[in-house]
Amino acid sequence: DTEVTQTPKHLVMGMTNKKSLKCEQHMGHRAMYWYKQKAKKPPELMFVYSYEKLSINESVPSRFSPECPNSSLLNLHLHALQPEDSALYLCASSRDTGLSDQPQHFGDGTRLSIL
Amino acid sequence: AQSVSQHNHHVILSEAASLELGCNYSYGGTVNLFWYVQYPGQHLQLLLKYFSGDPLVKGIKGFEAEFIKSKFSFNLRKPSVQWSDTAEYFCAVNARFSGANNLFFGTGTRLTVIP
Repeated sequence: DTEVTQTPKHLVMGMTNKKSLKCEQHMGHRAMYWYKQKAKKPPELMFVYSYEKLSINESVPSRFSPECPNSSLLNLHLHALQPEDSALYLCASSRDTGLSDQPQHFGDGTRLSIL
Repeated sequence: AQSVSQHNHHVILSEAASLELGCNYSYGGTVNLFWYVQYPGQHLQLLLKYFSGDPLVKGIKGFEAEFIKSKFSFNLRKPSVQWSDTAEYFCAVNARFSGANNLFFGTGTRLTVIP
């Protein structure tokens, strides 16, 4: 079992809905990440939080809005998504963002389908 | 362009055969190298990692990898595969120049082990 917990495991939503993905870790890690993984493709980085502050946004559309309420929690708020946003959304954490603070530990992901 | 290449897209082996999956990267300078495995329907799990020191690293489940700096390679090996090794394997690289928290994945290699 992974030490990074993501909920829900599956989510189906319409293009006008608003929903949130949640991620939680209790390893004391200070860096948390969101990735998007399309079928048969590698994960692609979306956002990085370090000490609860957004440090990297990989040019992600504003319909994805991350939030880090505390060092253990990471949310991804979704609004007005498009069908092409259907994918597996992975959360990861690491001790910190330095090279020596890797590796990243991944959650099971939320499989998102946009109707 | 900076990249991580996995040239084998799909590998099919019989049980007890030896495995070698190729990974090449194009980043200069200091790198961290990883192999992750993703079993069907499961999260990304770390198989092994290289930060520095002995270029031959041993991971879980009998896997090992060799870092050859002159060839920019980090190939994954296992002397005798089992049916349970059927999964998707991703090579990944952290590179200092890009910000240590950006993990670049290769396109993945799907391994099918036939009983």
